[in-house]
Order: sequence, then structure tokens, then C-alpha cells
Amino acid sequence: QVQLQESGPGLVKPSDSLSLTCAVSGYSISSGNWWGWIRQPPGKGLEWIGYVYSSGITYYNPSLKGRVAMSVDTSKNQFSLKLSTVTAEDTAVYYCARFSGWYNYWGQGTLVTVSS
Amino acid sequence: DIQMTQSPSSLSASVGDRVTITCQASQAITNYLNWYQQKPGKAPKLLISDASKLETGVPSRFSGSGSGTDFTFTISSLQPEDVATYYCQHYNSLPYTFGQGTKLEIK
Repeated sequence: QVQLQESGPGLVKPSDSLSLTCAVSGYSISSGNWWGWIRQPPGKGLEWIGYVYSSGITYYNPSLKGRVAMSVDTSKNQFSLKLSTVTAEDTAVYYCARFSGWYNYWGQGTLVTVSS
Repeated sequence: DIQMTQSPSSLSASVGDRVTITCQASQAITNYLNWYQQKPGKAPKLLISDASKLETGVPSRFSGSGSGTDFTFTISSLQPEDVATYYCQHYNSLPYTFGQGTKLEIK
């Protein structure tokens, strides 16, 4: 059974960077597939942030205007998200998920609050 | 970018009712359309992929149809455990956007 688990700080200061990691178990990232991040502001809908392939190829949501970077660490079987220059609008539950055209495996989500 | 418009945004129905949610794409996406169910405090769960393929283990009262720009998600007989927010999501071309969601409640 594929399982994903997000980890990272729950509180980030405005203008700082947000960094999250998603640990994958039950499946080897190096076997392939796209790995994505999705976020959900409190009380709002889902927003796609981006994807990273096991080879390191990435696609990002243009709406985030170059603030996103994703990477894969196959030795640790995990992938990461970095979102720079955060504001209060980046406060959200951040989910990691495996993408195969559809998101069939999700992490439980982690709330990140941007506040001083 | 392709915009996904779901309707209604909220819905209240009785147990046993047939419930229908629609999702319209701003341009044709063939059948590259998925449906998710999200219960409060939980991650979304994939119910239907490719417009009409029911995921393993998902009750048969859930179904999906459509192609091109217009899609429908149906619950044939609403159950109390179906209270959730439902989202459509396309994967025709990047960015793979979600609809704004339909919140389903029991009357």
C-alpha cells in the first residue's frame, strides 16, 4: 500500500520560505510516476502547486510566479517543496500526492500558517 | 488555462435522493476528467477517473459521465456517509485545475 506523509514547520514568517517534505512508503519513487503538491486555504478549494518526476523534471503552476521549487531525493524515497517569499495568502493545508493523470494516493495534509 | 466550473456550489438533499453535480470545462478535454470526494479534515479521495471509471472499492451508487466540455457526477441513492465536498479535476493540459467544489449536505 502506497503511503505518503508530509512534514515541515507549521508556522512560517512572512517573506520567509516554506519548506515541506513528503516521505513515500510502499513504492519506490525511482520506479517512476509524477509526485505533486496541492494546497487548500482554510475553507476554500484545491489548488495545484506543481509536480516533480522521479528524474527531477518539474512543472509548476504559473500563478505562483516563480516562487516554487520541487526536488526528489530517491535515496530517501521522498520529495520536497520550497515556496519562497510567502505571505498570508500562502496559509493553507498542503498535501502531497502521487499523480498518474489523477491523484490516487494522498498524504494526510499539513497546515502551514504564515504569520509573524 | 482551462477553467472548470462546477454547479451547484452547494446542495442539500434527502437520504435516498438521486444527486447530480455538473462540471463544465472552458474548452474540450475529451474524457480527461476526475472526481474526488473530500470529507471535513481529510484529504480528497479519488472516486472516478477518465470521466466514468469507478475506482476499486468505491460504491456503485457513484457514477460519472460526459466528454468534451460537459460532465456529470451522480449519486444514485444518497447515503448519510456521502456528506462531503466533491471536486472535478481535468488533466487535458497544464495546469491541471480543479473545479471550485460542490458541498453536499443531508436535508
